[in-house]
Amino acid sequence: GAVVSQHPSRVICKSGTSVKIECRSLDFQATTMFWYRQFPKQSLMLMATSNEGSKATYEQGVEKDKFLINHASLTLSTLTVTSAHPEDSSFYICSARGPLAGGHHEQFFGPGTRLTVL
Amino acid sequence: DAKTTQPNSMESNEEEPVHLPCNHSTISGTDYIHWYRQLPSQGPEYVIHGLTSNVNNRMASLAIAEDRKSSTLILHRATLRDAAVYYCILRDRGGSQGNLIFGKGTKLSVKP
Repeated sequence: GAVVSQHPSRVICKSGTSVKIECRSLDFQATTMFWYRQFPKQSLMLMATSNEGSKATYEQGVEKDKFLINHASLTLSTLTVTSAHPEDSSFYICSARGPLAGGHHEQFFGPGTRLTVL
Repeated sequence: DAKTTQPNSMESNEEEPVHLPCNHSTISGTDYIHWYRQLPSQGPEYVIHGLTSNVNNRMASLAIAEDRKSSTLILHRATLRDAAVYYCILRDRGGSQGNLIFGKGTKLSVKP
């Protein structure tokens, strides 16, 4: 399947700082990218959906001013957690979807970024 | 997106087949059935998807009931590396529309 990468794989930061997470689709053009968050022993929760060149659509309860999403190109999306606090500590997973061979659209996930806010 | 129901956990022995059930009684005619799995501390991995007919790939088989209200993911010979949480998800129009909404999934344990 197609490859989606995330960087960094884990990050530890102090409370009040901002953290940027990058998500790249390596071998296909991602017309749509998704950001999920997963707390320990829980399932993935969709945070937002972004289409290349457009503003992200946030799920209910997700603060758009706190979780800034930029999808400036067909292969890159970034999530910035602004003024991070300990309750933002979580596993952040990006996902990308776009046309593959034969016009089929499938969704692929990155390996995740473990954020720990001290 | 319609809801799915899966058992919280299942156990299997290594090298034996595993049948993971999923109920989706409110499935609509245009919903595809997707299966993903998530190994510990990793992102989800695509396993298989189907609409009406049974599907096979190198990872697994998907058996879909005739009324489409349930499906079963079949791992033909479980290995220790198959221990993961398996998610059954419905999505409209084969993936070109709609988002993947994850439920709690089934945690599969594989015993040596």
